[in-house]
Amino acid sequence: QVHLEQSGAEVKKTGASVKVSCQVSGHALSELSMHWVRQTPKEGLVSMGGFDPQDGVTIYAQRFQGRVTMTEDTSTDTAYMELSNLTSEDTAIYFCATLTGGYYFDHWGQGTLVTVSS
Amino acid sequence: QSVLTQPPSVSGAPGQRVTISCTGSSSNIGADYDVHWYQQRPGTAPKLLIFGTTYRPSGVPDRFSGSKSGTTASLAITGLQADDEVDYYCQSFDSSLSGWVFGAGTKLTVL
Repeated sequence: QVHLEQSGAEVKKTGASVKVSCQVSGHALSELSMHWVRQTPKEGLVSMGGFDPQDGVTIYAQRFQGRVTMTEDTSTDTAYMELSNLTSEDTAIYFCATLTGGYYFDHWGQGTLVTVSS
Repeated sequence: QSVLTQPPSVSGAPGQRVTISCTGSSSNIGADYDVHWYQQRPGTAPKLLIFGTTYRPSGVPDRFSGSKSGTTASLAITGLQADDEVDYYCQSFDSSLSGWVFGAGTKLTVL
């Protein structure tokens, strides 16, 4: 059974960067399509992007292009999401989630709260 | 504004049947992409409830079912229980955005 364990809550200043980790157990990360989804009271759930198994590349949602970087360390089965140039609008809960069948998210991490303040 | 439109809230009495709609467009649900549903309890991650429009993951009761017609998908919950009083989200793929999209969520109240 796939289990995703995320890193703890973060508090950042405006303009800073944050890096959230997602440790996979029960399955090799290299065989999964890991994605990131964030949630805010205002916008709800928003897909940020992830690994596209069809093309073998990481794709980012257009609105986050240039600010987000998603990486993987297959030696430790850990995925990372780094978001830069933070603003208060980036205050959210960030989830890692595995995409299956190319279209739905079947396993989720517990979420990481990122708070951005000036 | 979400790409997929859900009613903010629905309600029903214990034992009754309720449906939650999810309306999209010709670039997502209407383009024959499957719709998936998630249940989210406060303070926890979303949980996959329905995938591939009509399929239930192992462990999900058959009280939950999904369907689709045209650009609208629906989640039906029969035999309402107090424990069902949480938030529900629909999700699909959008070809115009080349990405995965969610509805804004529906809060179910069991009267």
